[in-house]
Amino acid sequence: AQSVSQHNHHVILSEAASLELGCNYSYGGTVNLFWYVQYPGQHLQLLLKYFSGDPLVKGIKGFEAEFIKSKFSFNLRKPSVQWSDTAEYFCAVMGNTDKLIFGTGTRLQVFP
Amino acid sequence: DTAVSQTPKYLVTQMGNDKSIKCEQNLGHDTMYWYKQDSKKFLKIMFSYNNKELIINETVPNRFSPKSPDKAHLNLHINSLELGDSAVYFCASSHELTGGAPGELFFGEGSRLTVL
Repeated sequence: AQSVSQHNHHVILSEAASLELGCNYSYGGTVNLFWYVQYPGQHLQLLLKYFSGDPLVKGIKGFEAEFIKSKFSFNLRKPSVQWSDTAEYFCAVMGNTDKLIFGTGTRLQVFP
Repeated sequence: DTAVSQTPKYLVTQMGNDKSIKCEQNLGHDTMYWYKQDSKKFLKIMFSYNNKELIINETVPNRFSPKSPDKAHLNLHINSLELGDSAVYFCASSHELTGGAPGELFFGEGSRLTVL
């Protein structure tokens, strides 16, 4: 069965700090990987996705993620965060079951 | 134009009541979903429909019944509401990639259900 682990539950950063959020998945086959963001009081929006090809994926708002197959990881990164990046971040995986399975989310707070 | 729209956005009701949440997407997608987000922000899939046919039905009480009158609509009806049903319910839709696999999901703004 597919599962997703996000080890950082709550991250607090100052503006301009670098960000890396961990995501590990458990699935033996081919996967599609996603990062979604949920700003306070809003719906989920896609940040970036990996289906195949270059394992370094660039998304919106300066975010990127790297798929490392040997580590079953898909960590999210941003070199310099802004106050407006304060949100909940969800890693998700879809295998051949066609179900998008979400991790438990990481709450990011960025202080000016 | 809202791509995935849900109504109502907020719903406060008493235990034991029956309520419905409606969802419509204008993206031309074939697949629609219901997800439940609990107070700890954990998102769990409940149902998925493809072209009006139920394809995913997670372990959800029988009190929850999805209905898809056409591929642009997926409604959620809940009977005999319980305190534990309080959550935010998100509708989503996706298109099919080559080979039939679903692509990225587009989410609605959520319907916050509070059961008193």
